Amino acid sequence: AQSVTQLDSQVPVFEEAPVELRCNYSSSVSVYLFWYVQYPNQGLQLLLKYLSGSTLVKGINGFEAEFNKSQTSFHLRKPSVHISDTAEYFCAVRSSGAGSYQLIFGKGTKLSVIP
Amino acid sequence: SQTIHQWPATLVQPVGSPLSLECTVEGTSNPNLYWYRQAAGRGLQLLFYSVGIGQISSEVPQNLSASRPQDRQFILSSKKLLLSDSGFYLCAWTIPPPEAFFGQGTRLTVV
Repeated sequence: AQSVTQLDSQVPVFEEAPVELRCNYSSSVSVYLFWYVQYPNQGLQLLLKYLSGSTLVKGINGFEAEFNKSQTSFHLRKPSVHISDTAEYFCAVRSSGAGSYQLIFGKGTKLSVIP
Repeated sequence: SQTIHQWPATLVQPVGSPLSLECTVEGTSNPNLYWYRQAAGRGLQLLFYSVGIGQISSEVPQNLSASRPQDRQFILSSKKLLLSDSGFYLCAWTIPPPEAFFGQGTRLTVV
């Protein structure tokens, strides 16, 4: 079974500063990894995904994440945040094996961008 | 293009009343469908998933049930709501590629 740990429940950061949201996963098999963003009272929107290939993946809104298999991590980064990035961010994992259907989420990290 | 519809957006129900939340997907066939619940500080909890009509897998024993009467329809139900059923309910679907696409959610408050 897979699990996801998001190490920070809340991250405050000043506008135009860099940010890193941490995500570690646990799995005995190969996985797909995802980051989603959720604005208040809305559904989740996909930011980026790692399926295979290059370990550095780029997503929407200037975000990127790096897959580190040895450390079982998939941290999300942005070099300069904007007020509009204030939201909750979720890391998720899914087995890449055939017949695997469960998408497991972490508990989320609330990013607050301070003007 | 594919879209997912989830309704109602908000719902206030008394304890002991029944519940029915509906989710439909357009623009795709044979999707995998999911119900998640989001409670404050607990992230997204997978409640049910379905890989086909009439096929439901339950992840967490609880006061809720799910049904999939048609290929692109997924329903979350309860016969008698509890206070602990309050939360934000999200429906999602996947087909290859493996990422999930979410509806806008239903905010359920049990009073």
